[in-house]
Amino acid sequence: KQEVTQIPAALSVPEGENLVLNCSFTDSAIYNLQWFRQDPGKGLTSLLLIQSSQREQTSGRLNASLDKSSGRSTLYIAASQPGDSATYLCAVQEYGNKLVFGAGTILRVKS
Amino acid sequence: EAGVAQSPRYKIIEKRQSVAFWCNPISGHATLYWYQQILGQGPKLLIQFQNNGVVDDSQLPKDRFSAERLKGVDSTLKIQPAKLEDSAVYLCASSSLRGRGNTIYFGEGSWLTVV
Repeated sequence: KQEVTQIPAALSVPEGENLVLNCSFTDSAIYNLQWFRQDPGKGLTSLLLIQSSQREQTSGRLNASLDKSSGRSTLYIAASQPGDSATYLCAVQEYGNKLVFGAGTILRVKS
Repeated sequence: EAGVAQSPRYKIIEKRQSVAFWCNPISGHATLYWYQQILGQGPKLLIQFQNNGVVDDSQLPKDRFSAERLKGVDSTLKIQPAKLEDSAVYLCASSSLRGRGNTIYFGEGSWLTVV
Protein backbone atom coordinates (compact mmCIF):
# COMPACT_ATOMS: atom_id res chain seq x y z
CA LYS A 1 0.00 0.00 0.00
CA GLN A 2 1.39 3.39 -1.03
CA GLU A 3 2.28 5.75 1.80
CA VAL A 4 3.31 9.37 1.33
CA THR A 5 5.12 11.27 4.07
CA GLN A 6 5.84 14.99 4.19
CA ILE A 7 8.45 16.68 6.33
CA PRO A 8 8.28 19.07 8.09
CA ALA A 9 4.66 19.15 9.21
CA ALA A 10 4.91 22.91 9.72
CA LEU A 11 7.43 25.59 8.84
CA SER A 12 7.71 29.26 9.70
CA VAL A 13 10.24 31.43 7.90
CA PRO A 14 10.93 35.14 7.45
CA GLU A 15 10.12 36.72 4.13
CA GLY A 16 12.83 36.35 1.51
CA GLU A 17 14.19 33.01 2.65
CA ASN A 18 14.64 30.09 0.31
CA LEU A 19 13.04 26.91 1.62
CA VAL A 20 12.68 23.22 0.89
CA LEU A 21 9.71 20.97 1.52
CA ASN A 22 10.26 17.22 1.50
CA CYS A 23 8.08 14.36 0.34
CA SER A 24 8.76 10.62 0.37
CA PHE A 25 6.75 7.69 -0.97
CA THR A 26 7.04 3.95 -0.50
CA ASP A 27 6.10 2.50 -3.91
CA SER A 28 7.93 3.74 -7.01
CA ALA A 29 5.28 2.37 -9.42
CA ILE A 30 3.80 5.79 -10.14
CA TYR A 31 2.77 7.80 -13.17
CA ASN A 32 3.83 11.10 -11.70
CA LEU A 33 4.17 13.20 -8.59
CA GLN A 34 2.28 16.41 -8.04
CA TRP A 35 2.59 19.30 -5.65
CA PHE A 36 -0.58 21.15 -4.65
CA ARG A 37 -1.26 24.27 -2.68
CA GLN A 38 -4.27 24.58 -0.37
CA ASP A 39 -5.37 27.87 1.13
CA PRO A 40 -7.66 27.90 4.19
CA GLY A 41 -11.24 27.11 3.22
CA LYS A 42 -10.27 26.43 -0.37
CA GLY A 43 -9.76 23.47 -2.65
CA LEU A 44 -6.47 22.30 -4.13
CA THR A 45 -4.46 24.18 -6.71
CA SER A 46 -1.98 22.20 -8.77
CA LEU A 47 1.49 23.77 -8.68
CA LEU A 48 3.77 21.33 -10.45
CA LEU A 49 3.46 17.89 -12.02
CA ILE A 50 6.56 15.76 -12.59
CA GLN A 51 6.17 12.73 -14.83
CA SER A 52 7.87 9.56 -13.62
CA SER A 53 10.46 9.85 -16.40
CA GLN A 54 11.39 13.41 -15.46
CA ARG A 55 13.78 14.68 -12.81
CA GLU A 56 12.41 18.16 -12.17
CA GLN A 57 9.91 20.84 -13.11
CA THR A 58 10.07 24.59 -12.63
CA SER A 59 7.40 27.27 -12.47
CA GLY A 60 8.45 30.77 -11.50
CA ARG A 61 9.97 30.65 -8.03
CA LEU A 62 9.04 27.00 -7.58
CA ASN A 63 11.20 24.04 -8.47
CA ALA A 64 10.26 20.44 -7.81
CA SER A 65 12.56 17.46 -8.14
CA LEU A 66 11.81 13.76 -8.29
CA ASP A 67 14.07 10.83 -7.47
CA LYS A 68 11.79 7.93 -8.25
CA SER A 69 14.28 5.22 -7.34
CA SER A 70 14.73 6.53 -3.81
CA GLY A 71 11.08 7.56 -3.44
CA ARG A 72 11.75 11.21 -2.78
CA SER A 73 10.70 14.62 -4.01
CA THR A 74 11.50 18.14 -2.90
CA LEU A 75 9.72 21.41 -3.52
CA TYR A 76 12.06 24.38 -3.49
CA ILE A 77 10.57 27.86 -3.03
CA ALA A 78 12.90 30.74 -3.76
CA ALA A 79 12.65 34.17 -2.15
CA SER A 80 9.55 33.32 -0.12
CA GLN A 81 6.74 35.87 0.24
CA PRO A 82 3.86 36.20 2.73
CA GLY A 83 1.52 35.24 -0.09
CA ASP A 84 3.18 31.82 -0.19
CA SER A 85 1.66 31.01 3.20
CA ALA A 86 -0.53 27.95 2.71
CA THR A 87 -0.55 24.18 3.10
CA TYR A 88 1.52 22.34 0.52
CA LEU A 89 0.46 18.82 -0.37
CA CYS A 90 2.47 16.20 -2.20
CA ALA A 91 0.63 13.44 -4.07
CA VAL A 92 1.71 10.50 -6.20
CA GLN A 93 -0.49 9.36 -9.06
CA GLU A 94 -0.70 5.60 -9.21
CA TYR A 95 -1.63 3.46 -12.19
CA GLY A 96 -5.37 4.00 -12.59
CA ASN A 97 -4.99 7.73 -11.94
CA LYS A 98 -5.60 7.50 -8.20
CA LEU A 99 -3.82 10.20 -6.21
CA VAL A 100 -2.32 9.29 -2.83
CA PHE A 101 -1.60 12.32 -0.68
CA GLY A 102 0.72 13.17 2.14
CA ALA A 103 -0.60 15.04 5.18
CA GLY A 104 0.90 18.31 4.01
CA THR A 105 3.32 20.97 5.22
CA ILE A 106 1.83 24.12 6.70
CA LEU A 107 3.98 27.05 5.61
CA ARG A 108 3.93 30.48 7.19
CA VAL A 109 6.03 33.26 5.72
CA LYS A 110 6.39 36.18 8.08
CA SER A 111 6.71 39.74 6.79
CA GLU B 1 -13.28 27.04 -18.95
CA ALA B 2 -15.50 26.51 -15.93
CA GLY B 3 -13.96 24.57 -13.06
CA VAL B 4 -15.33 21.76 -10.93
CA ALA B 5 -18.49 22.95 -9.19
CA GLN B 6 -19.60 21.66 -5.80
CA SER B 7 -22.56 22.36 -3.56
CA PRO B 8 -23.38 23.03 -0.85
CA ARG B 9 -20.16 24.63 0.30
CA TYR B 10 -20.97 24.27 3.97
CA LYS B 11 -23.29 22.00 5.90
CA ILE B 12 -23.87 21.42 9.60
CA ILE B 13 -25.98 18.41 10.61
CA GLU B 14 -26.63 16.37 13.71
CA LYS B 15 -25.30 12.84 14.00
CA ARG B 16 -27.55 10.19 12.51
CA GLN B 17 -28.96 12.69 9.99
CA SER B 18 -28.31 12.40 6.27
CA VAL B 19 -26.57 14.75 3.86
CA ALA B 20 -25.92 14.85 0.13
CA PHE B 21 -23.24 16.66 -1.83
CA TRP B 22 -23.36 17.43 -5.53
CA CYS B 23 -20.53 17.79 -8.01
CA ASN B 24 -20.42 18.94 -11.61
CA PRO B 25 -17.07 18.17 -13.26
CA ILE B 26 -15.31 20.08 -15.99
CA SER B 27 -17.15 19.59 -19.26
CA GLY B 28 -15.93 16.55 -21.15
CA HIS B 29 -14.03 15.03 -18.25
CA ALA B 30 -14.68 11.30 -18.15
CA THR B 31 -13.14 10.59 -14.74
CA LEU B 32 -14.63 11.91 -11.51
CA TYR B 33 -13.30 11.47 -7.98
CA TRP B 34 -14.60 12.07 -4.48
CA TYR B 35 -11.98 12.64 -1.78
CA GLN B 36 -12.44 13.05 1.96
CA GLN B 37 -10.08 15.38 3.81
CA ILE B 38 -10.17 15.32 7.59
CA LEU B 39 -8.63 18.32 9.33
CA GLY B 40 -4.85 18.00 9.49
CA GLN B 41 -4.69 15.12 7.01
CA GLY B 42 -4.24 14.78 3.29
CA PRO B 43 -7.22 13.94 1.08
CA LYS B 44 -8.20 10.27 0.86
CA LEU B 45 -9.92 8.80 -2.19
CA LEU B 46 -13.45 7.58 -1.48
CA ILE B 47 -14.59 6.68 -4.97
CA GLN B 48 -13.48 7.04 -8.58
CA PHE B 49 -15.83 6.94 -11.58
CA GLN B 50 -14.95 6.45 -15.22
CA ASN B 51 -17.97 7.81 -17.11
CA ASN B 52 -20.80 6.32 -15.03
CA GLY B 53 -18.96 3.18 -13.91
CA VAL B 54 -17.12 2.75 -10.61
CA VAL B 55 -13.38 2.18 -10.97
CA ASP B 56 -12.32 2.21 -7.32
CA ASP B 57 -14.48 2.38 -4.20
CA SER B 58 -12.23 0.34 -1.93
CA GLN B 59 -12.08 3.06 0.75
CA LEU B 60 -15.74 4.04 0.68
CA PRO B 61 -17.57 3.09 3.92
CA LYS B 62 -20.40 1.41 2.09
CA ASP B 63 -22.56 0.93 5.18
CA ARG B 64 -23.18 4.68 5.30
CA PHE B 65 -21.73 6.29 2.18
CA SER B 66 -23.09 6.01 -1.33
CA ALA B 67 -22.29 7.75 -4.58
CA GLU B 68 -23.69 7.77 -8.05
CA ARG B 69 -22.86 9.36 -11.36
CA LEU B 70 -25.88 9.12 -13.56
CA LYS B 71 -25.37 9.74 -17.29
CA GLY B 72 -21.64 10.05 -16.73
CA VAL B 73 -21.72 13.77 -15.92
CA ASP B 74 -22.52 15.14 -12.47
CA SER B 75 -22.35 13.10 -9.29
CA THR B 76 -23.90 12.92 -5.84
CA LEU B 77 -22.25 11.68 -2.64
CA LYS B 78 -24.59 10.76 0.20
CA ILE B 79 -23.93 10.00 3.85
CA GLN B 80 -26.64 8.28 5.85
CA PRO B 81 -26.55 8.15 8.84
CA ALA B 82 -23.74 10.60 9.59
CA LYS B 83 -21.27 10.08 12.41
CA LEU B 84 -19.15 12.63 14.23
CA GLU B 85 -16.03 11.30 12.50
CA ASP B 86 -17.52 12.17 9.11
CA SER B 87 -16.75 15.83 9.81
CA ALA B 88 -14.42 16.73 6.95
CA VAL B 89 -14.22 18.52 3.65
CA TYR B 90 -15.43 16.49 0.69
CA LEU B 91 -13.51 17.31 -2.46
CA CYS B 92 -14.71 16.48 -5.93
CA ALA B 93 -12.19 16.31 -8.76
CA SER B 94 -12.16 15.43 -12.43
CA SER B 95 -9.73 14.56 -15.19
CA SER B 96 -10.05 14.13 -18.91
CA LEU B 97 -8.94 10.55 -19.40
CA ARG B 98 -8.19 7.51 -17.33
CA GLY B 99 -4.73 7.51 -18.72
CA ARG B 100 -1.19 8.23 -17.88
CA GLY B 101 -0.45 11.33 -15.90
CA ASN B 102 -3.47 13.49 -16.59
CA THR B 103 -3.90 16.61 -14.51
CA ILE B 104 -6.64 16.29 -11.93
CA TYR B 105 -8.68 19.42 -11.20
CA PHE B 106 -10.28 19.94 -7.81
CA GLY B 107 -13.37 21.82 -6.74
CA GLU B 108 -13.40 24.07 -3.67
CA GLY B 109 -14.94 21.39 -1.51
CA SER B 110 -18.02 20.84 0.62
CA TRP B 111 -17.35 21.36 4.32
CA LEU B 112 -19.32 19.07 6.62
CA THR B 113 -19.63 19.45 10.36
CA VAL B 114 -21.47 16.72 12.26
CA VAL B 115 -22.53 17.71 15.79
